[in-house]
Amino acid sequence: DTAVSQTPKYLVTQMGNDKSIKCEQNLGHDTMYWYKQDSKKFLKIMFSYNNKELIINETVPNRFSPKSPDKAHLNLHINSLELGDSAVYFCASSQDFRDGQLFFGSGTQLSVL
Amino acid sequence: GQNIDQPTEMTATEGAIVQINCTYQTSGFNGLFWYQQHAGEAPTFLSYNVLDGLEEKGRFSSFLSRSKGYSYLLLKELQMKDSASYLCAVSTNSGNTPLVFGKGTRLSVIA
Repeated sequence: DTAVSQTPKYLVTQMGNDKSIKCEQNLGHDTMYWYKQDSKKFLKIMFSYNNKELIINETVPNRFSPKSPDKAHLNLHINSLELGDSAVYFCASSQDFRDGQLFFGSGTQLSVL
Repeated sequence: GQNIDQPTEMTATEGAIVQINCTYQTSGFNGLFWYQQHAGEAPTFLSYNVLDGLEEKGRFSSFLSRSKGYSYLLLKELQMKDSASYLCAVSTNSGNTPLVFGKGTRLSVIA
């Protein structure tokens, strides 16, 4: 049983396309996150949801839109993909908003051509 | 804001001991975490310190000094499988970002 699962693992697409990444956690956690890891391996928070409510929205282009239909799911939709969006995107969850023990999904390697 | 600093790369020999340092500057400190990330994989939680001192967990130990804004991760009896990036992360109770990661230290274990 995978605790935090995200799909797809690899995503190769053309500039200008729209794509989505899905994430689900079966840990019963209240908080979910999207992190972006760039080519230099720096892991940066993008969004955080607590019980389906957006609580963190870092400086991210509004082409990125998270959606949380329930507290076990946090999907990421990206419009008008750009070359600079190429990175690994990690979904994660934690017991609550202040818990720093995160459980990560396996990552989605996004390549924009 | 937060500032977290750790060495970019380190190399150590199989069987040896290595210490990875992390310094941080933050307000509203709420704990320090270490994560391990193998190439091409997700980060996984290793350890957590909220009080000063040493936390030991098998071959891995983590130390914290809050007054100095300093932590280290100690890996003993190094194995080849310990080759990975080690990420220091600070949790705070101020602002909107509860966990901020450092840029990671890539450790290479050689024979």
